[in-house]
Order: sequence, then C-alpha cells, then structure tokens
Amino acid sequence: AQSVTQPDIHITVSEGASLELRCNYSYGATPYLFWYVQSPGQGLQLLLKYFSGDTLVQGIKGFEAEFKRSQSSFNLRKPSVHWSDAAEYFCAVDPGRRALTFGSGTRLQVQP
Amino acid sequence: NAGVTQTPKFQVLKTGQSMTLQCAQDMNHNSMYWYRQDPGMGLRLIYYSASEGTTDKGEVPNGYNVSRLNKREFSLRLESAAPSQTSVYFCASAGGLLNSGNTIYFGEGSWLTVV
Repeated sequence: AQSVTQPDIHITVSEGASLELRCNYSYGATPYLFWYVQSPGQGLQLLLKYFSGDTLVQGIKGFEAEFKRSQSSFNLRKPSVHWSDAAEYFCAVDPGRRALTFGSGTRLQVQP
Repeated sequence: NAGVTQTPKFQVLKTGQSMTLQCAQDMNHNSMYWYRQDPGMGLRLIYYSASEGTTDKGEVPNGYNVSRLNKREFSLRLESAAPSQTSVYFCASAGGLLNSGNTIYFGEGSWLTVV
C-alpha cells in the first residue's frame, strides 16, 4: 500500500538557521508529491508540488524541495527560517487514485 | 474569494446524535474531498467525489455518509456519532485529477467533539 513517512514529529530551529524536513514515500512508481503547511487553527496551504521535470522545485515563502528517486524522498528545505514559519508541515502524495495521502506531519518550532 | 467554505466551524454532539457537515466551493471544481485530522496521524481521507454524481470511499469511511448535492456542494453526515469521531474535519476541492496538475484547496476545518 502507498504510504508517506515523515520521521520527525517535532523539530526546533533557531530563527535564521536552515531547515530541512524529511519525507519518504512508498509507492511503485513516481507519485505526484506535495508539501502543505498548516498554521494553528487554519486549513492547509500548498507550499509546492512536484509532478515531473526538474527535481528541485521552488515554492512559496522561500521554500524548496528536492525529489530524489533513488531514496524515495522529497525533503523540504529553507535556507533561513523566520519566526512566522512556525507551523505544522505535511508531505503528501497522489498515487494516481485521485486523492492525496498525507504523512503524519512535522511540527516546526522556531526559537528567537 | 471564498474558496472552500465549511459549516459549522465548531460542534459538540452527544453520542448517538446525527449531524451533517456542509461544504461548498465557488471555484467550479470537479473534485471534492472530506478528510479528518487527528493528532499524530495527519489527514486521512474519508470520502471523495471525483465529479458531480459520483462518490468513492477513502481510507476511513466507516460511520460516515456523503452526498454530492451538486457541483458546488459536498456534505458529510454522521448518522450516529461516536466519541471516536471526535476530530477536525476538512473539506477540499480540486479542478480535476490531481495528477493532471490540479491543486487541491482546503477549507478552514470543522472542529467536532462527541461526548
């Protein structure tokens, strides 16, 4: 069965530090890959998506993600974190069944 | 720019009561979805509707029913609420098949507590 794993439940970084959130997927073929962010009490907002082509994709708010087929990974990165980036981040895949499968999420805390 | 609108935003139910969560989108999207979010489990798909007139079960459909009333509206019904259905429910919509490049848009969520 298709699955998405986010191994880090909670991450704390200092403001201005770099960030990498991990995401691994299990699927027979290359799925369509997404990262969403959820601020407290809010819905989910799309940060970026990968369908094909260049394996490094740029998103909103200065985020980027790199698709690595050999590692079945789609890690999210940001060079310099801002306090407003504190939120929960979800990796998701569309394995072609018309709906997204989500990981369990990584909560990001930003220290001043 | 309403996007995806869910009602109610908050609801407390007693075990055994029934209720319907309403969802409407104004983006002329074909596909609509209901997810539930529980701590440590991410979002899990309850039901989805790929187009008007069709509905399909997702990962956790038991205890729920859905109706795709028209292209705009997709409701989720709990016939006999149970404490295990305490969750945050998200409605979402997309223009078409996600693997055709369509983005899924989420509502702001409905907080449901069953006591």
